[in-house]
Amino acid sequence: NAGVTQTPKFRVLKTGQSMTLLCAQDMNHEYMYWYRQDPGMGLRLIHYSVGEGTTAKGEVPDGYNVSRLKKQNFLLGLESAAPSQTSVYFCASSYTRDTINQETQYFGPGTRLLVL
Amino acid sequence: SQQGEEDPQALSIQEGENATMNCSYKTSINNLQWYRQNSGRGLVHLILIRSNEREKHSGRLRVTLDTSKKSSSLLITASRAADTASYFCATDPNSGYSTLTFGKGTMLLVSP
Repeated sequence: NAGVTQTPKFRVLKTGQSMTLLCAQDMNHEYMYWYRQDPGMGLRLIHYSVGEGTTAKGEVPDGYNVSRLKKQNFLLGLESAAPSQTSVYFCASSYTRDTINQETQYFGPGTRLLVL
Repeated sequence: SQQGEEDPQALSIQEGENATMNCSYKTSINNLQWYRQNSGRGLVHLILIRSNEREKHSGRLRVTLDTSKKSSSLLITASRAADTASYFCATDPNSGYSTLTFGKGTMLLVSP
């Protein structure tokens, strides 16, 4: 199993450009999450999804949109990138009905985004 | 807002020594988890302790939870150079959807 994968690994954008980050998981997890991590900070939740076709706002949702059209994929979009969105973005997934520690989150390797 | 706050921010020890990291949080929780992050990598789950548990062990890891003080500690015994990483506590604030709130982390350096 690949676990949680993220595409791309690294991207440079100019202010105002748009892009989509793709997260895929092969663990049949119900829940998926997008976080950002800035230097000296922990992870902050951007958006999350509790199932196919559902999304919800996290702590820092402004400037981002998400979609969960398929259970295994969770997309994070930046419509008009700003320098403040320079960060490392992590996707995570969790929860299947037949596991013990359902709350454990499994993380992807991250996407480094630089907005100039 | 950061729910959990780790202490210390950085810790430097020698191989074979024990490393203790602390986490304090603000609101009631379902569970508290510890994650490890190696430089430039994603986070890896280490251990989960539920609000009705006081202590839990996993290999060289020992986690305690004191809900009256809203604090937790992570002890790594007999540290190895491979334990060098950042360690984060994360709290599940009983949202029903396992949304975690992470602290800023403790950077642990274990020197050979």
